[in-house]
This record gives sequence, structure tokens and C-alpha cells, in this order.
Amino acid sequence: QSALTQPPSASGSPGQSVTISCTGTSSDVGAYNYVSWYQQHPGKAPKLMIYEVSKRPSGVPDRFSGSKSGNTASLTVSGLQAEDEADYYCSSYAGSNILVFGGGTQLTVL
Amino acid sequence: QVQLQESGPGLVKPSETLSLTCTLSGYSINSGYYWGWIRQPPGKGLEWIGTIHHSGSSYYNPTLKSRVTISVDTSKNQFSLKLRSVTAADTAMYYCVRSTSWYYFDYWGQGTLVTVSS
Repeated sequence: QSALTQPPSASGSPGQSVTISCTGTSSDVGAYNYVSWYQQHPGKAPKLMIYEVSKRPSGVPDRFSGSKSGNTASLTVSGLQAEDEADYYCSSYAGSNILVFGGGTQLTVL
Repeated sequence: QVQLQESGPGLVKPSETLSLTCTLSGYSINSGYYWGWIRQPPGKGLEWIGTIHHSGSSYYNPTLKSRVTISVDTSKNQFSLKLRSVTAADTAMYYCVRSTSWYYFDYWGQGTLVTVSS
């Protein structure tokens, strides 16, 4: 099981939308609806933003949404705000009681 | 409010065993759910280490399985990580986490930095 593939960086201006991809295989992302997304600000612990592909925990703004098509999951941040600037990591169940993470994407708000 | 707090040595010598403890507050580990460890080398991404159910069933990252043990101490409301035969590659921030469902982590500790060096 290899790490999921994310673009190293993404950017957008305030108010715009940005989408971050997370590409896996038919053995992980494509096989299960157990993709989650985490936001990590510098020096802080990650925070769960999306689970089970598209569900938002209580307290997460609805500007954050998740989806999946085939072996690729996506996180979309709409109406970008300065505080959305952070690293974002995806994770997926890979079967056989194994979890894998993506390499992370640094989101910059221009 | 569930809170997790990691504790343990910040410096471990190569070939020795890294031992960390996660203490829970605001929730009884006996009440259920899954508990685990995730690490992050400096400047790098997240790596799942392993997960344990409150009943004791454990699951490990295959790349670390031969060196890792995660255990639960319900009497102290804690769970622990042991990583044997460490090298510099094990230098990382170690986070303890809770999983309401096995597949995602909804509560995280603040993390503790462990450096492997002689």
C-alpha cells in the first residue's frame, strides 16, 4: 500500500474556490467510501474536516466539501478565507485493516 | 470535552525503544471507540502507526508492524505506544488520536516531538 498522491501546492484568492485532489488506486480510494480530509495549521495538530468522502463534522464550515470519482477524491474549499491557508491531508482505508495518508497539499490564499 | 495528552521522553537513543503514553480526559476509554497513534517527521506528511480498540484488538501499519506495540490501560484511562529498535528515521512528532469509526480520527492530542539521536 503506497501513499495517496496529492499535489504539493494549491492556491486561490479570497472568495474563490479551490479543489485539492487525492489519487489512490482501486484498492483504497476506489474501493471504499472511507476517505477523510485533515487541515493542519503550522505548529498545530491536524483537524478532521471531512470523513466518509463527503460528511462534515460538527463545527466545520459548509465551505468545505468532499467528493469522489473513481480512484480520486477531492476536497473543495469555496469562498476562500485567509484562515483556510494550511496544509491539507487526505486519508483512505486500504483494506486489511490498513489506513494510508496522502503526502499533503499546502494551500496558499493569495 | 475529550482531550488527549501525549507524554514520554523527547530523546531516545538509536536501537532503543520509544515509549509514549496518551492520557484521556473527558472520556472513559472503557466506553468504546478506537485509539491510535500517528506520526509526522519534521517537514513531512502524516503516517498512520496503528490503532487499538478499547477491547484490546490492535491493527498496525505493515511497514512498522514488526517493531510496534500499542496497548490500553483502562485502569489509568491511558493507551501506550512502544516502538522498538529506533533509528533516526523514527524522529517525528507523535500524535495520539481517537477514532469514533475506525476510518477517521476525530480527536487529536497536541503531539510530542521525539528525536532519535545518540
